[in-house]
Amino acid sequence: EDKVVQSPLSLVVHEGDTVTLNCSYEVTNFRSLLWYKQEKKAPTFLFMLTSSGIEKKSGRLSSILDKKELSSILNITATQTGDSAIYLCAAQIQGAQKLVFGQGTRLTINP
Amino acid sequence: DAGITQSPRHKVTETGTPVTLRCHQTENHRYMYWYRQDPGHGLRLIHYSYGVKDTDKGEVSDGYSVSRSKTEDFLLTLESATSSQTSVYFCAISESRNTIYFGEGSWLTVV
Repeated sequence: EDKVVQSPLSLVVHEGDTVTLNCSYEVTNFRSLLWYKQEKKAPTFLFMLTSSGIEKKSGRLSSILDKKELSSILNITATQTGDSAIYLCAAQIQGAQKLVFGQGTRLTINP
Repeated sequence: DAGITQSPRHKVTETGTPVTLRCHQTENHRYMYWYRQDPGHGLRLIHYSYGVKDTDKGEVSDGYSVSRSKTEDFLLTLESATSSQTSVYFCAISESRNTIYFGEGSWLTVV
């Protein structure tokens, strides 16, 4: 059975801290690993990672995939209250491009 | 924003009644998906479509059916709604090898 696990499930930090969110996966026919940010409504796309060891960066957010360890991390530096959200990772399956999601990490940034 | 419209956005219905949720896209993407999101479970795939009249089951398909008669429309039907189907339903679209984009969600309450 395809499975994606995120940790921690919940994280509370102070503004300015750096956080690391973890995602591990066990899927057949793996194609890529995606990260999404979800505030009140639809998940919004952050990163798609296909190749191992290549960091993707967008402002204060960065992510990297380790295919040997079947895992990925999402880093957020100099956190702001606007980073408070649920962060979802998902493994994309070859063929039908289906996504298998983890449970999400609820990140709360306190001022 | 990806051109995805879900309707209705909010619905309250009684147990045993049929319910249809509609997803409409303006992107001409091949793949369309229905996910449900519940606390502690992340997003789970209900059904997906890889073309007109081509659909397949996801991991939580019991009690749901879908139809895709046009590229732009993907309908999700609850044949006889139950309280366990109270959830937030997200439609998503993608094109081959591209990321998956989500609609704004439909909040369904079955009483």
